[in-house]
Amino acid sequence: NAGVTQTPKFQVLKTGQSMTLQCAQDMNHEYMSWYRQDPGMGLRLIHYSVGAGITDQGEVPNGYNVSRSTTEDFPLRLLSAAPSQTSVYFCASSYSPGARNTEAFFGQGTRLTVV
Amino acid sequence: AQKVTQAQTEISVVEKEDVTLDCVYETRDTTYYLFWYKQPPSGELVFLIRRNSFDEQNEISGRYSWNFQKSTSSFNFTITASQVVDSAVYFCALSENYNTDKLIFGTGTRLQVFP
Repeated sequence: NAGVTQTPKFQVLKTGQSMTLQCAQDMNHEYMSWYRQDPGMGLRLIHYSVGAGITDQGEVPNGYNVSRSTTEDFPLRLLSAAPSQTSVYFCASSYSPGARNTEAFFGQGTRLTVV
Repeated sequence: AQKVTQAQTEISVVEKEDVTLDCVYETRDTTYYLFWYKQPPSGELVFLIRRNSFDEQNEISGRYSWNFQKSTSSFNFTITASQVVDSAVYFCALSENYNTDKLIFGTGTRLQVFP
């Protein structure tokens, strides 16, 4: 099992550009989430999904879109990048019905810089 | 409102010292999980422990131990005989109603262990 795979690992964008951060998991988890990590602020929830076709906003959703067309994939789209979106982004997945362990598994992170 | 507070921003110890990382949480729910994650300098998030709100038993795993006290809404983490490899940022997190798709993180405590 690869776990949670995020691509790319690093990205530099110019203000106004758009891009998609990819996240895929092979653990058949129902739940997937996106967080951003900023210095001194811990991790904050951007968007989350409890299953294919179902998404909802977290604490800091502005400027980001998500969709969940399959159980495995949960891409995060930046529509028009701004310097305030410079951050490290983590994708997480958790919860398989009937599974004993319900901790969130995290990808390796994507370090995004918007100039 | 739900909240996780890690008041210690940074702790420095010398190898073999014991160190306790504090975590205080706020929630109105009676069913929740508490977690600790480790983020080493390489940046990934490593799961350490999950505690169910109905299970107040303390837990020990090698040099790590956790003290969960509902009366004080605390879930503290102690490392005994610290080692240089313990140097990392440690995050405490809360998931209400066992919803692991929405973790609420503290701001983290950076632990530096000097030889």
